[in-house]
Amino acid sequence: TQLLEQSPQFLSIQEGENLTVYCNSSSVFSSLQWYRQEPGEGPVLLVTVVTGGEVKKLKRLTFQFGDARKDSSLHITAAQPGDTGLYLCAGGSDYKLSFGAGTTVTVRA
Amino acid sequence: KAGVTQTPRYLIKTRGQQVTLSCSPISGHRSVSWYQQTPGQGLQFLFEYFSETQRNKGNFPGRFSGRQFSNSRSEMNVSTLELGDSALYLCASSLLTKREQYFGPGTRLTVT
Repeated sequence: TQLLEQSPQFLSIQEGENLTVYCNSSSVFSSLQWYRQEPGEGPVLLVTVVTGGEVKKLKRLTFQFGDARKDSSLHITAAQPGDTGLYLCAGGSDYKLSFGAGTTVTVRA
Repeated sequence: KAGVTQTPRYLIKTRGQQVTLSCSPISGHRSVSWYQQTPGQGLQFLFEYFSETQRNKGNFPGRFSGRQFSNSRSEMNVSTLELGDSALYLCASSLLTKREQYFGPGTRLTVT
């Protein structure tokens, strides 16, 4: 059983469209991180959010941490083929990081 | 700063054999974690070492073990390999435990 549930599992969109992926849990996390992994490589950290309600922007990516610190979302505006990859969220609590199963995003040119 | 390095990048072993994988963390990082990634199970936490001590352990059998040296480099060992151990093994380092993870490129292990 995954402590963190990510949805959708797969997402395929056309270049220029917007997308949102979700990360939900019944547990409260002290921090939540988002990573992107490309085939054949390790995940790369995108952002860390720590405060309930926090919103962070990274160019065309917008990350939000839920008020109760149990959920998060990642929104990509005007997606590009370079955004293709596996998006993973990870929640930190009790000296352990728990990863979600990930959302595979494919952006078609 | 140099990133996390893992050796070897690819490995093919036979059932019953054992294997040792190596990880060199980012300079100054004292925490090293190991993960197993498979298409079916996703990213599964194996264990974490901090200052040569195992801090956390995931739900894996005792065939999976690890250690960390005084220079923070880490190794993980898998004994009596099974077909189901075929996976991408990822090492990640961080400054402190449970903090942002910086991953290496992984070791792709194939057990035949």
